[in-house]
Amino acid sequence: QSALTQPASVSGSPGQSITISCTGTSSDVGGYNSVSWYQQHPGKVPKVIIYGVSERPSGVSNRFSGSKSGSSASLTISGLQPEDEADYYCCSYTDRGTWLFGGGTKLTVL
Amino acid sequence: QVQLQQSGPGLVKPSQTLSLTCGISGDSVSSNSAAWNWIRQSPSTGLEWLGRTYYRSKWYNDYALSVKSRITINPDTAKNQFSLLLNSVTPEDTAVYYCARDEMGIDFWGQGTLVTVSS
Repeated sequence: QSALTQPASVSGSPGQSITISCTGTSSDVGGYNSVSWYQQHPGKVPKVIIYGVSERPSGVSNRFSGSKSGSSASLTISGLQPEDEADYYCCSYTDRGTWLFGGGTKLTVL
Repeated sequence: QVQLQQSGPGLVKPSQTLSLTCGISGDSVSSNSAAWNWIRQSPSTGLEWLGRTYYRSKWYNDYALSVKSRITINPDTAKNQFSLLLNSVTPEDTAVYYCARDEMGIDFWGQGTLVTVSS
């Protein structure tokens, strides 16, 4: 099963908003409301920032939001801050009963 | 607060078996709402989910197709931990291996173990 498709990189200036897409199929993203997003700083463990398509764990800034349309999901970060510079991964449940990650997106805050 | 503590060797020879253990505190491997996963990460492949074990009146396992013929994940209720066995390893299995819980997303992760496959 191929990884979910994410852009390799995105960038934005402080204060701006950016959106990272995550494209799958009807067998994963399109079939379940079980999409999650992870933030990973260099050398650190991934951290969940969105689960269940649009739910934010306690303690995660409301600048992070998630959505889904068809077989594509999106992560939006508003009011970009320098500390948002990191790698971001999407993940979806699949019809094989497995989890499938995206290839990751490197966010650069200019 | 859930904490996951990984243990196991950082160097494995080709064709041998990779073995890692994940000790759980703050939750139970027999939880009816959580699942216990192994995930790995290498520069070339990004994050790759390997498999999980979970209890829902009985034990279940799910495995990624890419490793299904080589992987076993076992719960140990007596020690409240779970383990990963990956056999017939090759240099392509070199990666940082993480254990992790999924309940509200993959919400708690172990510290990661760099496993190098080399003779």
